[in-house]
Amino acid sequence: SQQGEEDPQALSIQEGENATMNCSYKTSINNLQWYRQNSGRGLVHLILIRSNEREKHSGRLRVTLDTSKKSSSLLITASRAADTASYFCATEPLRYSTLTFGKGTMLLVSP
Amino acid sequence: KAGVTQTPRYLIKTRGQQVTLSCSPISGHRSVSWYQQTPGQGLQFLFEYFSETQRNKGNFPGRFSGRQFSNSRSEMNVSTLELGDSALYLCASSPATSGRPGVGELFFGEGSRLTVL
Repeated sequence: SQQGEEDPQALSIQEGENATMNCSYKTSINNLQWYRQNSGRGLVHLILIRSNEREKHSGRLRVTLDTSKKSSSLLITASRAADTASYFCATEPLRYSTLTFGKGTMLLVSP
Repeated sequence: KAGVTQTPRYLIKTRGQQVTLSCSPISGHRSVSWYQQTPGQGLQFLFEYFSETQRNKGNFPGRFSGRQFSNSRSEMNVSTLELGDSALYLCASSPATSGRPGVGELFFGEGSRLTVL
């Protein structure tokens, strides 16, 4: 079953614009992670935010976590065509040693 | 360090056959997780192995099985293949330890794309 749900399902922007993706989840978590997947390839880890953290940055990525609302957002600033990919949030619940993924947001960045 | 290696990358089988997929984790990683990815269901967790023991299992029928060897390499097997088993099967390793539950960051292979005809 899906723990995380990303919103929007698809996002189309121009190079240089910012892209924001949201993730909602249902149960208490140890951490929340974001991954990127280029078409038909394996997933690449982008960033991990722990349940006691509210915001984290990595390069052009900014992730926020609101555990009271059970939601997270991923902001990609100054998007590039190479950022075109599917983005997934994944949650690690408190009691299980596994990650549960959402269905992802497909991001298209046009030159 | 070499990344996670999955073999074969592509395979075609017919209904009723069985298939074995292989995964070599990053050196030093003792946890290996398997996921099935389809357009309709997204990424579905199959199972996770840690030090040759299945630590967690997803909600898949018994036709799906796996194992992990002493060198942390893992295999998954699907018996009596059905059309719905067509998917990208992803393996991921992590430097998880026995002292703390949880897999943390996952490092994925490129996947094995299975087509069942």
